[in-house]
Parts: sequence; structure tokens; C-alpha cells
Amino acid sequence: AQSVTQLGSHVSVSEGALVLLRCNYSSSVPPYLFWYVQYPNQGLQLLLKYTSAATLVKGINGFEAEFKKSETSFHLTKPSAHMSDAAEYFCAVTAAGGFKTIFGAGTRLFVKA
Amino acid sequence: EAGVAQSPRYKIIEKRQSVAFWCNPISGHATLYWYQQILGQGPKLLIQFQNNGVVDDSQLPKDRFSAERLKGVDSTLKIQPAKLEDSAVYLCASSLDPTGGNTGELFFGEGSRLTVL
Repeated sequence: AQSVTQLGSHVSVSEGALVLLRCNYSSSVPPYLFWYVQYPNQGLQLLLKYTSAATLVKGINGFEAEFKKSETSFHLTKPSAHMSDAAEYFCAVTAAGGFKTIFGAGTRLFVKA
Repeated sequence: EAGVAQSPRYKIIEKRQSVAFWCNPISGHATLYWYQQILGQGPKLLIQFQNNGVVDDSQLPKDRFSAERLKGVDSTLKIQPAKLEDSAVYLCASSLDPTGGNTGELFFGEGSRLTVL
């Protein structure tokens, strides 16, 4: 079985500051891991994914995440926040070759001018 | 390439009434999902179809919710009768067959927001 825990339901950063959104997972089999972003009144869209290749994954809009098996973590980072990054971010896990994607509760990112 | 289409975008009903949501996935995507997203929470899987067969409906409240995907393409999710706690956004998503070596990333529609009064 898989599960996802996102630490912090809200994160606030200043424009230009580092963004760090935390995600820990559990999985009984090798996982695929995803970060999705949701803007107000829209569906979710994929930011990046880990599928057992490189452990450092780069996504859209300057985001990246690092898969750390020993820590069962997949934290999302961006060196410099932009106002347009304000949104809700969801971490998700799927068992490799499996069917079910489980989402975390989400972290809302606020960016201050 | 057209994305996942959902309708209606918004629906307001009284409790005990019925409602139906429609979803048309991306062409060629064998797998279709319905998620329920309550305000402030992550999406919760209600039902997952592989072509026109059900893969997982373990979290679907079957006494009031039903879903079908008759020809393996578009899908309808119905709630009858609705309760106050059904107020949520209903998200449809589709993906390529994850068992076919694909990574199972989901493509979402914009969602259908239901308010039950």
C-alpha cells in the first residue's frame, strides 16, 4: 500500500526566496512519484515526476525535486519564488506498474511581494 | 491535442436531489479516474476504469454514487440522493495504461464544482 504525507498545509515565502515543499511517502514496492500544481478553479497539472531514472528531477517553471530512498522523501524546491508560483501543490505516489495514484493533502504556497 | 473535458463546471442542488457529471478523456487513454476533492484536502479516488471495466471502486459510496464508462471512452458519475457532505469538486483524469510501461501520470480536467444546499 502507498501513502503520502505533506508537511505543512501552508507555506509562505517572499518573492525571490527559496521554495521548499516537503513530501514523504511510503510504498511497499518501488514507487513512481509526482508533483502536481493546482491553480484556483482549475484541475491539477503535472510539475515533474520520478520514475526510477535520475534521482534529481527537473520540472516546469524552474521546479525540481530529489528522490531520497533512505529518507523516503521527494521534496520540491525552486531557488527563487515568483508571484505566479502561488498555488496549491500536491505530492502523489503510484506503485511502479500499478494502477492507483494516492495524493497528499496538499500545501498551499503563498508568495509575498 | 484536446485535454480532458468535463461538464458542467458548476452545479448547485438541494440535498436529496440527483446530479450527473460527464467526462471525456484524452483520446487513446485507456484509464479514466474520478476523484473527489473536498475543500482543503487532496483528491480522493472514487473509481478507476481500465477501458470499460472497473479497476478500483473501493472508496465509492455505492449507496448513492454510481459511475459508468459504457464504450470505454467517456464516463458519467451520478449522485443520487445528494447529501450536504457531497459538496466538493469532482475531478476526472485520464492516463495511458500504466501496466504498458507508461509512468501513469494523470491528465486532469478542470473539474465540476458541486454545492449541495
